[in-house]
Amino acid sequence: GENVEQHPSTLSVQEGDSAVIKCTYSDSASNYFPWYKQELGKGPQLIIDIRSNVGEKKDQRIAVTLNKTAKHFSLHITETQPEDSAVYFCAASPGTASKLTFGTGTRLQVTL
Amino acid sequence: NAGVTQTPKFQVLKTGQSMTLQCAQDMNHNSMYWYRQDPGMGLRLIYYSASEGTTDKGEVPNGYNVSRLNKREFSLRLESAAPSQTSVYFCASSPWLSSGGTTYNEQFFGPGTRLTVL
Repeated sequence: GENVEQHPSTLSVQEGDSAVIKCTYSDSASNYFPWYKQELGKGPQLIIDIRSNVGEKKDQRIAVTLNKTAKHFSLHITETQPEDSAVYFCAASPGTASKLTFGTGTRLQVTL
Repeated sequence: NAGVTQTPKFQVLKTGQSMTLQCAQDMNHNSMYWYRQDPGMGLRLIYYSASEGTTDKGEVPNGYNVSRLNKREFSLRLESAAPSQTSVYFCASSPWLSSGGTTYNEQFFGPGTRLTVL
């Protein structure tokens, strides 16, 4: 089955700096790669996703890149703000109902 | 729209007790899922229902049962709770998006149920 590894497990950046979270996956059939943000005491919320027919996608301060050859994808947050502090999860799916496999999460802390 | 709702928000059980976690979605989604979240382990799939009338095991199904009551509701039952089932449980639903002949599994999560088994 699919295996998703996520690094780093914790990340501390100063406000205004950029943050990068990286994930690797094992199943070459995976074609959908969402990123979720989880704030304390809440459920994960989809913030951006990328599909296997594109290499990069951007939405304001966040961007995702995908390298299918190397089987890795990354989340980039620019100009970080305190409200970006949360746990971020990557995931991969081969496009079937059952298999959205999550990474183990990155706790991002943005300090003033 | 309320999205995905879960009840209860918190629950404390004694070992051996049973309970049912309730989940409902008002987005007319076909697929629904139950995950558990433990520190350092991300989200692990317990059971899922690809469509009304079907259920299948996920990664960690032992000790759990599910019922897809109708298109809106998907419940998770612990028949005899064990301390190892102490966790935060999340329900999710998916509309199944299609683009260019391929489907994508965009999932929407509820707020979670924090369960402690003593």
